[in-house]
Amino acid sequence: GAVVSQHPSRVICKSGTSVKIECRSLDFQATTMFWYRQFPKQSLMLMATSNEGSKATYEQGVEKDKFLINHASLTLSTLTVTSAHPEDSSFYICSARPGQGRYNEQFFGPGTRLTVL
Amino acid sequence: QQQVKQSPQSLIVQKGGIPIINCAYENTAFDYFPWYQQFPGKGPALLIAIRPDVSEKKEGRFTISFNKSAKQFSLHIMDSQPGDSATYFCAASIIPDKLIFGTGTRLQVFP
Repeated sequence: GAVVSQHPSRVICKSGTSVKIECRSLDFQATTMFWYRQFPKQSLMLMATSNEGSKATYEQGVEKDKFLINHASLTLSTLTVTSAHPEDSSFYICSARPGQGRYNEQFFGPGTRLTVL
Repeated sequence: QQQVKQSPQSLIVQKGGIPIINCAYENTAFDYFPWYQQFPGKGPALLIAIRPDVSEKKEGRFTISFNKSAKQFSLHIMDSQPGDSATYFCAASIIPDKLIFGTGTRLQVFP
């Protein structure tokens, strides 16, 4: 149990285009989902926290107009990178936290490799 | 005070050895301490987690040791195997807040 999927796993796009990444919790309802960014050989950097039906909370330094997050249901959150540029190339990972009755477990998706040309 | 310091940065052991990865924190309000394993190009996977009311927790070959007074916790991998070669991250949080991750330890287990 506790499976999280991400789609797509890899995406290559041209500079200036927008890219949408989906994150789904497959066998549980996720009241909270998180989006991370990871550079090679570095730790995970939290970008934002989203709760179903409410606006995402962004970490300091993360541009909310550039990284649009929507958490439309208890099993789906999306991250849209708007007007992507080469510096946005990175590994994006989502995680999902089950609702009540659990500790603070977060289950991670397999990640999405974004390359902006 | 929100940082979690992880060491070593990298670790090389032979098969059967017991690698130990250490983490230290400052915020005494942290009450949840998980360890994650990440293979290249994959998302992290939750390995084992501990609450501060216990000093040790074992799951299979993985053991967390927790020292509340020293504000330290560590991961021990018993009988390590080449398949354990991965990057390991410790984390801490105040339930139900966000996780604060350590910087990661790259483990290599040679046959």
